[in-house]
Amino acid sequence: EAGVAQSPRYKIIEKRQSVAFWCNPISGHATLYWYQQILGQGPKLLIQFQNNGVVDDSQLPKDRFSAERLKGVDSTLKIQPAKLEDSAVYLCASSLDLGDRGQETQYFGPGTRLLVL
Amino acid sequence: GNSVTQMEGPVTLSEEAFLTINCTYTATGYPSLFWYVQYPGEGLQLLLKATKADDKGSNKGFEATYRKETTSFHLEKGSVQVSDSAVYFCALVSGAGSYQLTFGKGTKLSVIP
Repeated sequence: EAGVAQSPRYKIIEKRQSVAFWCNPISGHATLYWYQQILGQGPKLLIQFQNNGVVDDSQLPKDRFSAERLKGVDSTLKIQPAKLEDSAVYLCASSLDLGDRGQETQYFGPGTRLLVL
Repeated sequence: GNSVTQMEGPVTLSEEAFLTINCTYTATGYPSLFWYVQYPGEGLQLLLKATKADDKGSNKGFEATYRKETTSFHLEKGSVQVSDSAVYFCALVSGAGSYQLTFGKGTKLSVIP
């Protein structure tokens, strides 16, 4: 079974530029998550989709970050304009469903490492 | 809010030593608890999980028991190998109207021959 795919793996941009990340979840997985992992910290949820609807985007900085999941499969996360503090690894994860208490296993992609100069 | 506290690293052990990584949590409702592992250059992988009190999760020789009375989920392994060198993350999903994983900061383990 193919895992969660992400691209690009690495990206270097200057502040105020824009950048987009792509994620392809495991086939058949209804739930998709985007996390931000700053060096030395655990991942922090940015946004969660169930099919193509948003379940939770309470921690997404909506003035600069946006995400979409058209057709309930692939997803893109965009930052515009980028700031120095956005330097992090952006992780995409998917799960079969939410589960009745959110206990469904989340499967993570390899991440995109972003450096903002 | 929800939070997870892990012991600070890095932890360095000799091969075949006993491993404990402490994890305590604060959560509303009845959380599910997880340990994820991140090997060098790879993505996060689920190591084990427990979804209710007194459950024991186990995988690859690692174990953790969900202790509601002490709000803990400590990770243990009886004999570590060099291949266990990685960063270990404790995490929870509270399930109380929120399905997001809340992670600890991670504990880096290095096992030396």
